[in-house]
Amino acid sequence: DAGITQSPRHKVTETGTPVTLRCHQTENHRYMYWYRQDPGHGLRLIHYSYGVKDTDKGEVSDGYSVSRSKTEDFLLTLESATSSQTSVYFCAISERKGLYEQYFGPGTRLTVT
Amino acid sequence: AQSVTQLGSHVSVSEGALVLLRCNYSSSVPPYLFWYVQYPNQGLQLLLKYTSAATLVKGINGFEAEFKKSETSFHLTKPSAHMSDAAEYFCAVILTSGSARQLTFGSGTQLTVLP
Repeated sequence: DAGITQSPRHKVTETGTPVTLRCHQTENHRYMYWYRQDPGHGLRLIHYSYGVKDTDKGEVSDGYSVSRSKTEDFLLTLESATSSQTSVYFCAISERKGLYEQYFGPGTRLTVT
Repeated sequence: AQSVTQLGSHVSVSEGALVLLRCNYSSSVPPYLFWYVQYPNQGLQLLLKYTSAATLVKGINGFEAEFKKSETSFHLTKPSAHMSDAAEYFCAVILTSGSARQLTFGSGTQLTVLP
């Protein structure tokens, strides 16, 4: 298994509070991704990173920000959580962009009440 | 825009029966195609991938998929289902042209294996 961990694994928070999810990899892969998984939608890309301090938006980036200060860590922040952000969040990594498979972390289940 | 359609959000088969999970994609350029499996409360695990070499791709756990350009399909099959195959399966696509090169997922098919 790819060395990817996510923390926390479960979180319950209140509407309007900030939340930060962490993805940590030990594979030294350049590309890292954040997805959200919702029933009937599969996985949708939120943001991705192609290097330290290099990030770009995905399909559903509104309400989310990311940061990558080290190769191994990719943080996803919900500045002011809303109930629509209740979801399961997955981090993924890949050695190269685009035509290469991605490897996924175990996920973080976030509930916004 | 590229898209992936998985026909049937739920599929049930008996143990030992053929598994067939359907995936169709829309693309005017050759795609790279993937099947992932997700077991309960776990992340996604790569089953197999098509990258324009052989059209019949063999993956882990006895699964295989055939790329059919004329039908824009990449259906996943396994000759004999096992109880441990019960999981959710996702088809995904990346286009081989353009700058985005993002992985786009289908909505998933939940496979139930009946004893």
